[in-house]
Amino acid sequence: EVQLVESGGGLVQPGGSLRLSCSASGFSFSNFWMNWVRQAPGKGLEWVANMKQDGSEKNFVDSVKGRFSISRDNAKKSLFLQMNNLRVDDTAVYYCSYGGYWGQGTLVTVSS
Amino acid sequence: QAVVTQEPSLTVSPGGTVTLTCGSSTGAVTSGHWPYWFQQKPGQAPTTLIYDTSNKHSWTPARFSGSLLGGKAALTLSGAQPEDEAEYYCLLSYSGTRVFGGGTKLTVL
Repeated sequence: EVQLVESGGGLVQPGGSLRLSCSASGFSFSNFWMNWVRQAPGKGLEWVANMKQDGSEKNFVDSVKGRFSISRDNAKKSLFLQMNNLRVDDTAVYYCSYGGYWGQGTLVTVSS
Repeated sequence: QAVVTQEPSLTVSPGGTVTLTCGSSTGAVTSGHWPYWFQQKPGQAPTTLIYDTSNKHSWTPARFSGSLLGGKAALTLSGAQPEDEAEYYCLLSYSGTRVFGGGTKLTVL
């Protein structure tokens, strides 16, 4: 059974940092692009970033470029999102996803 | 980055048929945009209905189908059920990046 479990969310002040993790199981993690998607309260889905299987290619939505980075550890079947210089409008549930599968998300709240 | 457009809301009668569409600001949507369709119900994570234009997952009800229609990606629901009332999102790929549409709120009434 495919499982994606996000962690690392929480309350952070504007300008702060958080590192999200996604632990994967039930599939060959190293064979797939992985994505981060977010959803602000009451809003639609927004694709945030993705990373190629071997880490050689990364892509980001314009609004997070220069502030967020993505990484993965294929040996540990884990995906990460390092979020720096967080802004109030980064407040959202962050989902890890690949193909048709989604985690349950982790809530990031940026507020003073 | 591109803008992906969906109908904000649609209504379908129980047992009826409805088509949701997904357009791109860059021009016609093609199979090269690898269209995805997702369903999301309140308080839940999204679930994937369709990938790569028309492919279904094992859990996708047979009444949902995906296609390209008039330069857009399309999701057709044939024989709507009350449990199909939800928000539906499409996702298009632009080289390495991805863009979601704003979502369509589907009411079954």
